[in-house]
Amino acid sequence: EVQLVESGGGLVHPWGALRLSCAASGFTFSGHWMSWVRQAPGKGLEWVANIKPDGSEKHYVDSVKGRFTISRDNAKNSLYLQINSLRGEDTAVYYCARASRWPISGYFYYGMDVWGQGTTVTVSS
Amino acid sequence: AIQMTQSPSSLSAAVGDSVTITCRASQGIRNDLGWYQQKPGRAPKLLIYAASSLQSGVPSRFSGSGSGTDFTLTITSLQPEDFATYYCLQDYNYPWSFGQGTRVEIK
Repeated sequence: EVQLVESGGGLVHPWGALRLSCAASGFTFSGHWMSWVRQAPGKGLEWVANIKPDGSEKHYVDSVKGRFTISRDNAKNSLYLQINSLRGEDTAVYYCARASRWPISGYFYYGMDVWGQGTTVTVSS
Repeated sequence: AIQMTQSPSSLSAAVGDSVTITCRASQGIRNDLGWYQQKPGRAPKLLIYAASSLQSGVPSRFSGSGSGTDFTLTITSLQPEDFATYYCLQDYNYPWSFGQGTRVEIK
């Protein structure tokens, strides 16, 4: 079964840090781009970061640049998100997702087709 | 950064109705757009990628169209399980960006 399972969320003080993990199973993890997406309470979805299959390319939403680091360990089939200098606005459910690519007419199109159940990060003093 | 604007923000419809949700990009994104469905307390689910390609396993009553800046998601013959929030996502360039969501409620 294709599956993503997040862990590592919790209650953290402002300016604190957390490392989120996402364990992948049932597919060739090393062959896929991976993403983190978050959702603040009662709000919409926000894309956070992407990482290339070999880890050589990373992209972030502007609001987390310099504070969040996406990484992966293909030997362990695991994706990570190191989140530092946490702020209240980082309070959210964090989802990891597989960003698959499909070739159409010589171009590759993305779609986040597998999602974890989410892990909750709460920033509060 | 590309801004994605969805409309309406919410709508009420009855089982069996057809509904259309619109997403507009602040600049051209070719057809690098996906549609996602989210139910309360659940992870999102991919419905459509490349603006109009139906994800495997998604019912054919869902369809997408558009290119450039204007896109639509159409659900024909709404089913009880379709009442949810729908989001568009542009993956044309970074940072990727979602629309604010459209909540589809039961009339």
